[in-house]
Amino acid sequence: DQQVKQNSPSLSVQEGRISILNCDYTNSMFDYFLWYKKYPAEGPTFLISISSIKDKNEDGRFTVFLNKSAKHLSLHIVPSQPGDSAVYFCAAGTSGTYKYIFGTGTRLKVLA
Amino acid sequence: DTGVSQDPRHKITKRGQNVTFRCDPISEHNRLYWYRQTLGQGPEFLTYFQNEAQLEKSRLLSDRFSAERPKGSFSTLEIQRTEQGDSAMYLCASSPTSGYNEQFFGPGTRLTVL
Repeated sequence: DQQVKQNSPSLSVQEGRISILNCDYTNSMFDYFLWYKKYPAEGPTFLISISSIKDKNEDGRFTVFLNKSAKHLSLHIVPSQPGDSAVYFCAAGTSGTYKYIFGTGTRLKVLA
Repeated sequence: DTGVSQDPRHKITKRGQNVTFRCDPISEHNRLYWYRQTLGQGPEFLTYFQNEAQLEKSRLLSDRFSAERPKGSFSTLEIQRTEQGDSAMYLCASSPTSGYNEQFFGPGTRLTVL
């Protein structure tokens, strides 16, 4: 049972435009969500997080939106840059446990 | 470099052999995690330590897998009698104790079982 789903395996975006990566979850107990970026041959790198008490968190070019009623979160990257080309994973966790459940990832390609 | 380090980066072994991986977390982090990632999947949680205590183990961690963190610093993950299905990237992560924190990942150890 995939509790965290990223239904788009890949996404291509022109440099300078907005990239929108989506993530859906099924477990209503999740109350903390993160996005990680992964380059080949490296471990995942933390990008941005959001707790369930918020519906938006912004850090520079990266903004995460959380819609609890829809059990959906999204990552917006504006403007997209070629260096953003990587695999992006969303992850979710529950207070009191410390393991994160990861989605299967979306490969973003930013075209110059 | 003060990030999470893992050794070795790559390991090729024959089926039935034992392998051991090492993880050195960020020095001030009390929590340490092991994940496994296979092709096309996200990282899957294996186990979690707070200091030297192993507090949670996934059902993915069969009896052939054992993890230790003897002095609350580095950790080892051992796989006994490896099987081809064990081929994966093994990722280690660490985080500080307080609150809900992002986990910082190491570069991983890629295991290939022939």
